[in-house]
Amino acid sequence: KNQVEQSPQSLIILEGKNCTLQCNYTVSPFSNLRWYKQDTGRGPVSLTIMTFSENTKSNGRYTATLDADTKQSSLHITASQLSDSASYICVVSVGDSWGKLQFGAGTQVVVTP
Amino acid sequence: NAGVMQNPRHLVRRRGQEARLRCSPMKGHSHVYWYRQLPEEGLKFMVYLQKENIIDESGMPKERFSAEFPKEGPSILRIQQVVRGDSAAYFCASSPDRTNYGYTFGSGTRLTVV
Repeated sequence: KNQVEQSPQSLIILEGKNCTLQCNYTVSPFSNLRWYKQDTGRGPVSLTIMTFSENTKSNGRYTATLDADTKQSSLHITASQLSDSASYICVVSVGDSWGKLQFGAGTQVVVTP
Repeated sequence: NAGVMQNPRHLVRRRGQEARLRCSPMKGHSHVYWYRQLPEEGLKFMVYLQKENIIDESGMPKERFSAEFPKEGPSILRIQQVVRGDSAAYFCASSPDRTNYGYTFGSGTRLTVV
């Protein structure tokens, strides 16, 4: 069973609109949570990293939130652009000796004109 | 400052052949991680190596797969006697230390077994 669950699986939004992606995790012990953007045919690129004590972090039009008590995170994309079309992956780092990363399956976002 | 370099970008092998995937980490990074991504699935951890040492290979299949990171040269993921189920994208990442901050991914190698 995947320890990092993302929803929705896919999303179509109009250019200029906002959207929010969800991530629930059961990974324990927890070290940090990351959101990555993966363009088709490319490797994942880090957007945000949050530790246990952080509950929000922004990177331009991307804002991530973290509720470590409920083990939930969200990624909000503001004023979407065509270049935001990609897979967005929630990744949780296990708080053991080297911080193994557990990946969600991703949310495929398509921004249409 | 070049990022994580993987080659080849695309690799086609016939069933039973060997596949060798190469990964050169970012300058200053001595920790390398290999992941496999099947269509419509998330990345799955395979192996974590530091120079000349395998730190964690809990995600590696027991047979046909091996990895190394020699003192000189790139890290190599080797798949012997490939089967159709090995078709996937294989990503390498590197980091400067064990804390995995500064984690950077390569663009991947897409292996197709025909």
